[in-house]
Amino acid sequence: EIVLTQSPGTLSLSPGERATLSCRASQSVSINYLAWYQQKPGQAPRLLIYGASGRATGIPDRFSGSGSGTDFTLTISRLEPEDFAVYFCQQYGRSPYTFGQGTKLESK
Amino acid sequence: EVQLVESGGGLVQPGGSLRLSCAASRFTFSNYAMSWVRQAPGKGLEWVSTISGTGISTYYTDSVKGRFTISRDNSKSTLFLQMNSLRGEDTAIYYCAKDIRHDYWGQGTLVTVSS
Repeated sequence: EIVLTQSPGTLSLSPGERATLSCRASQSVSINYLAWYQQKPGQAPRLLIYGASGRATGIPDRFSGSGSGTDFTLTISRLEPEDFAVYFCQQYGRSPYTFGQGTKLESK
Repeated sequence: EVQLVESGGGLVQPGGSLRLSCAASRFTFSNYAMSWVRQAPGKGLEWVSTISGTGISTYYTDSVKGRFTISRDNSKSTLFLQMNSLRGEDTAIYYCAKDIRHDYWGQGTLVTVSS
């Protein structure tokens, strides 16, 4: 099983700042099948990034994904008030399709 | 836009069974793998199971193997999760999600396992 470790656990930033979230895999992720999701309280998760760097439909270009192999990053270039939420990474290259434990992005 | 609507959740005693459904619309259902993902109260996301578009291939997380069965009816654009021998640790919101990369999610259905 591929274990995904997200860091930091909580990130405190202000609107307008840049956010950098990390997702590290215990083994190489096949074909960079790595996704990022955003979840707000009481809502279902929303796909942001697939294939490590592909932006999902309707996702603003301030969200970007990068990385390969075992190290992946989600970057939010300039935080908007609606970006404060919990972010999860997931690998879907090899079953079981594991999630990271999440990073909470909170407003400072 | 794609729509996924889960149903079938509820309160069940330990050892009991439930069958979840996910009604899909506004896309060609049979062309896509479908998944179930769950979230225990206040916890993170846990992938549960995925089924291929044809229904031939199925995949499960270890903790539900032998207890849960994923299936689909492509003629009715509906995904199912049969859950048997339920345990307290199965208590969660269960989401269905489209495609292996989970590009669309339903609103979830709550399953509570308690005596």
